[in-house]
Amino acid sequence: GQQLNQSPQSMFIQEGEDVSMNCTSSSIFNTWLWYKQDPGEGPVLLIALYKAGELTSNGRLTAQFGITRKDSFLNISASIPSDVGIYFCAGRGASYDKVIFGPGTSLSVIP
Amino acid sequence: NAGVTQTPKFQVLKTGQSMTLQCAQDMNHNSMYWYRQDPGMGLRLIYYSASEGTTDKGEVPNGYNVSRLNKREFSLRLESAAPSQTSVYFCATKGLYEQYFGPGTRLTVT
Repeated sequence: GQQLNQSPQSMFIQEGEDVSMNCTSSSIFNTWLWYKQDPGEGPVLLIALYKAGELTSNGRLTAQFGITRKDSFLNISASIPSDVGIYFCAGRGASYDKVIFGPGTSLSVIP
Repeated sequence: NAGVTQTPKFQVLKTGQSMTLQCAQDMNHNSMYWYRQDPGMGLRLIYYSASEGTTDKGEVPNGYNVSRLNKREFSLRLESAAPSQTSVYFCATKGLYEQYFGPGTRLTVT
């Protein structure tokens, strides 16, 4: 079945540094989504991407939908302590209603 | 608007007991989902419902049943709980493309 891989699995960075993480799939996706999960909470949508090559920003966050439709990346600029959490990518393929999640990237920011 | 609500927030069961996790949404969305989250595994889809009256299996449906009672409510039932079902369970709805999650139910099976 469809599966997503995320890298890195975890990151420890200094406050103020930029962060880059990515998500890959063996299958083509029609929509890519990036979520952030704080401890004890449900995931919250950060950015949604709808077509190949699309580059979208949300404040300090920028995400891109890969040209091959099999990958996506998320960048966070000038990290701050509240960026700590788990970042999930998710993809929607041919089935409109079925969304698959990656295993997550855990981000720690050292003040 | 409450968005997506889940009850209970925490539950401890003994092996073999049954229980139902409740989910309700006030977003008027057609699609609803149940996921489980385990450390290092991300979110795995258990069941989903594209509309009232329909349900489909996800990646890990074994040991679970679901009911889409109406457009607002989607419940997840464990008929005979097992320790392997210890997890955090999230309900979600989907608008046009994006999913919105509830706060989760933390279930421990001893």
